[in-house]
Amino acid sequence: AQKITQTQPGMFVQEKEAVTLDCTYDTSDPSYGLFWYKQPSSGEMIFLIYQGSYDQQNATEGRYSLNFQKARKSANLVISASQLGDSAMYFCAMREANTGFQKLVFGTGTRLLVSP
Amino acid sequence: GAVVSQHPSRVICKSGTSVKIECRSLDFQATTMFWYRQFPKQSLMLMATSNEGSKATYEQGVEKDKFLINHASLTLSTLTVTSAHPEDSSFYICSAKETGTALEDTQYFGPGTRLTVL
Repeated sequence: AQKITQTQPGMFVQEKEAVTLDCTYDTSDPSYGLFWYKQPSSGEMIFLIYQGSYDQQNATEGRYSLNFQKARKSANLVISASQLGDSAMYFCAMREANTGFQKLVFGTGTRLLVSP
Repeated sequence: GAVVSQHPSRVICKSGTSVKIECRSLDFQATTMFWYRQFPKQSLMLMATSNEGSKATYEQGVEKDKFLINHASLTLSTLTVTSAHPEDSSFYICSAKETGTALEDTQYFGPGTRLTVL
């Protein structure tokens, strides 16, 4: 079974609008962490935001926030006030305690295109 | 944030040759480094996890004799693609994690190396 599922291969948004990128995950481990990374066309992976399974509040980092719904096993990324520079691939990833907090498993990614 | 470098950024080689890719953590000590492979328009697939001073742990289906990983110091890991063939052409990305076993420990990624085998 897929550990991380990103069902949106591509998303379009207009500049200054908000956009939500979906991510659902599958784990039986009660202790896990969820990450979002951005990959521009240059290829480097840029860490955006982290949510721990025991965190009570949704994580926020500037224009990025994570809509964490534990019962639904979803961890959607919300980007507010989109900018042209936000155009990139976005990957959701999970790390489980039962892997010794080591392995990061990635979803298939969502390509976001921000238009003027 | 912490910086991870990779060298070279791009390499083209002939079939049958070996290629070495270096991954360095520039401003922190990386007890654990990871090597990923990414095909065009696909996700990152973990190839192996290396811990400083010990043998790398390879993921299922990854040939350890073909992809040699050495993590000789806390700031350097190398991936050597031996006897490269065109099907080994891919984008190889390393990442490094600081000492610690917390779930929230961030993995910092290098800029990647694009390997083309002719």
